Amino acid sequence: DAGVIQSPRHEVTEMGQEVTLRCKPISGHNSLFWYRQTMMRGLELLIYFNNNVPIDDSGMPEDRFSAKMPNASFSTLKIQPSEPRDSAVYFCASSLWSGANNEQFFGPGTRLTVL
Amino acid sequence: GESVGLHLPTLSVQEGDNSIINCAYSNSASDYFIWYKQESGKGPQFIIDIRSNMDKRQGQRVTVLLNKTVKHLSLQIAATQPGDSAVYFCAEKDAGGGADGLTFGKGTHLIIQP
Repeated sequence: DAGVIQSPRHEVTEMGQEVTLRCKPISGHNSLFWYRQTMMRGLELLIYFNNNVPIDDSGMPEDRFSAKMPNASFSTLKIQPSEPRDSAVYFCASSLWSGANNEQFFGPGTRLTVL
Repeated sequence: GESVGLHLPTLSVQEGDNSIINCAYSNSASDYFIWYKQESGKGPQFIIDIRSNMDKRQGQRVTVLLNKTVKHLSLQIAATQPGDSAVYFCAEKDAGGGADGLTFGKGTHLIIQP
């Protein structure tokens, strides 16, 4: 298994531009999570999906952030317009919710720099 | 608000020694705890988990201890190796059921000295 796949691995953009981050979860997993990691705030949950349905987006910082999961094998996190304070590493994770095991598998992350 | 935090930001130990990384949590409703290891440039990697109905769980060279009375979690790594150098995060999940997201602590940087 290739694990969780994220693209791009690095993104440098200018303030005001739209940024789209992509994630392919592990095949067969039914839950997908988007996290953001910064030195100041550590790892923060932004949003998560169960069976492609957004369950909790209370961690999404502003309306500039949006996430979609059109099918079980793909999700996007979009920032429009981007701002310098959005610079962070964004992780996607997936898990197979079975009622007992919550192990989340993380992707390698996308390092976003907004100039 | 509720939070999960770590006592020490950096821990340095000699190769071969045992290490203990501590974590305090404040959400009394948490029922599931996980330790993750994150190496530079990589995503967090699952190490070991424990449910609130347990006090101790052992894996390969790692042991997690849970003290619900004082809301404290620890990760013990035996016979540390250079590859153990990483940032370690504790994470917790509220007992709300379902595949909820995790709340992470700030992390402890473990350095293994040769």
